[in-house]
Amino acid sequence: DQQVKQNSPSLSVQEGRISILNCDYTNSMFDYFLWYKKYPAEGPTFLISISSIKDKNEDGRFTVFLNKSAKHLSLHIVPSQPGDSAVYFCAATSNYGGSQGNLIFGKGTKLSVKP
Amino acid sequence: NAGVMQNPRHLVRRRGQEARLRCSPMKGHSHVYWYRQLPEEGLKFMVYLQKENIIDESGMPKERFSAEFPKEGPSILRIQQVVRGDSAAYFCASSPPGQGVLNTEAFFGQGTRLTVV
Repeated sequence: DQQVKQNSPSLSVQEGRISILNCDYTNSMFDYFLWYKKYPAEGPTFLISISSIKDKNEDGRFTVFLNKSAKHLSLHIVPSQPGDSAVYFCAATSNYGGSQGNLIFGKGTKLSVKP
Repeated sequence: NAGVMQNPRHLVRRRGQEARLRCSPMKGHSHVYWYRQLPEEGLKFMVYLQKENIIDESGMPKERFSAEFPKEGPSILRIQQVVRGDSAAYFCASSPPGQGVLNTEAFFGQGTRLTVV
């Protein structure tokens, strides 16, 4: 049973436009969410995170929105750049009850930004 | 400050052999996490270790897999009697002491790609 779902395996966007990557989760105990970016043959790189006490977190061109009632989060990249082309993973964790350190990842969305 | 170092980057083993994957955390980091990524899948948590202690091994297969993080030296993920289904990318991440949750302070290595032939 997938607790973190990224239903779009791929997304193609024109340079300069907005990229919106979506993520849904099922476990209401998750209280911390992260986005990672991964290039081929490299490890994931942390991008941005959000705590469940917030509904928005912004860092430069990257903004993450959290809708707890819908168990949904999204990553907005604006403006998109060709260098943003990578696989983006959504991940979630819970500080509750001893599951510290256990990140649950989605399957990823491959973003292609076309010049 | 070097990042998380994993070696080897690529490892080929025949069925039935042992695979040893090494992870040297970032300097000052005492928490190590191992993840496995199967083809077309996300990363799956395997084990969380601190120096000389296994904190959470809920993601480790019950047989053939073991992990350690000794007082000195790198963390080792050991797979005995490998099978084709073990072929995957294995990633290690580390974080500083005092942070039991993988968050902004955690960094991933480049991974070891294990191929079982």
